[in-house]
Amino acid sequence: EVQLLESGGGLVKPGGSLRLSCAASGFPLRKYAMSWVRQAPGKGLEWVSAISGDGGTTYYTDSVKGRFTVSRDNSKNMLYLQMSSLRADDTATYYCGKGETSSSFPDSWGQGILVTVSA
Amino acid sequence: QSVLTQPPSASGTPGQRVTISCSGSRSNIGINFVYWYQHLPGTAPRLLIYRDTQRPSGVPDRFSGSKSGTSASLAISGLRSEDEADYYCAAWDDSLSGPVFGGGTKLTVL
Repeated sequence: EVQLLESGGGLVKPGGSLRLSCAASGFPLRKYAMSWVRQAPGKGLEWVSAISGDGGTTYYTDSVKGRFTVSRDNSKNMLYLQMSSLRADDTATYYCGKGETSSSFPDSWGQGILVTVSA
Repeated sequence: QSVLTQPPSASGTPGQRVTISCSGSRSNIGINFVYWYQHLPGTAPRLLIYRDTQRPSGVPDRFSGSKSGTSASLAISGLRSEDEADYYCAAWDDSLSGPVFGGGTKLTVL
């Protein structure tokens, strides 16, 4: 059974940093693209970042380019999102997702982790 | 403002059939697959339809996807109270070189 468990969220001040982690189990992580998707309060889903199975290709939405870095450690079955220069509009629930075969569109998701950016 | 346009709301009564539209362009729906997700805020999203029309195992056949040109639709037949949720379409956009979601449609079961 595919399981994804996010951790590392919490309250951080504007300008601060946070690293989200996603522990994956039940499938060979190296074979699948992974994504981070977020939902701000009262808003819709927004793709934040994606990374290919080997980590060689990454995607970032414009609003996080230069501030967020996605990475993965396939040997540890882990996905990461390093977030820096955080802003109030980064406040959201962040979900990690396992891409369906040959795409980055998730077919399985974690339960989400809340990140709150506030002074 | 998303490049994929969905109606903000939809509604139906139990047993009814409802459809949710997703309008895009040649750079996204016109040439790439469409995906549909069901989401209750605070819970994990659920993949309902992938590659335009395919249903993952475990998704009831009450849910179906279709696509024509630069638009796609999600149909839900035999509407149930538990279908009340937010629904999102998604596709790769070649102009943006990235994946995009529609703005989401809140489905209410009356």
